[in-house]
Amino acid sequence: IAGITQAPTSQILAAGRRMTLRCTQDMRHNAMYWYRQDLGLGLRLIHYSNTAGTTGKGEVPDGYSVSRANTDDFPLTLASAVPSQTSVYFCASSDSESDTQYFGPGTRLTVL
Amino acid sequence: GQNIDQPTEMTATEGAIVQINCTYQTSGFNGLFWYQQHAGEAPTFLSYNVLDGLEEKGRFSSFLSRSKGYSYLLLKELQMKDSASYLCAVRDSNYQLIWGAGTKLIIKP
Repeated sequence: IAGITQAPTSQILAAGRRMTLRCTQDMRHNAMYWYRQDLGLGLRLIHYSNTAGTTGKGEVPDGYSVSRANTDDFPLTLASAVPSQTSVYFCASSDSESDTQYFGPGTRLTVL
Repeated sequence: GQNIDQPTEMTATEGAIVQINCTYQTSGFNGLFWYQQHAGEAPTFLSYNVLDGLEEKGRFSSFLSRSKGYSYLLLKELQMKDSASYLCAVRDSNYQLIWGAGTKLIIKP
């Protein structure tokens, strides 16, 4: 692994289903982030974690949950997907909250 | 509210120079970032400004004026591979990044 990986690359999901997007980094970065990117809008922060064991809410946290059990992994869960959660999801990490963020390749999610 | 403004789309010619502007209104300021994003790919870091002035990095330069809430990204000697979206982001007082919608740059031969 080099950098940040995300899985799956893309997914089509029926509304009401539960889905977990995976994110793993091997840079030993303390801080990790989940963003969604929608056409015509800037990246919007969903949840973040400044260090393992802690998480915080971003601009658009409703309908999403995260956990940070260790430094490397930061999964994002949609408990009951809705069509408005159709988006491209990016995971990012940085050495600290004051450092440059580096992005994973993204997950394209479609909720029907 | 917090706001980042940048043009939606710009067109330039291969070999030329282009300037992409970004204006911001945020609660606090802890630095401004420029990222490049090719279609279907992840954003990649280009530059960071926290003090006023010009930061030069090869063909790319970024300028910041904190008093005016203004930045620009200058791309010189444009190449076809520079066709991408350029994202401006400001780190606010909570150390969260506030993102502009991005400027799609189209390079023509």
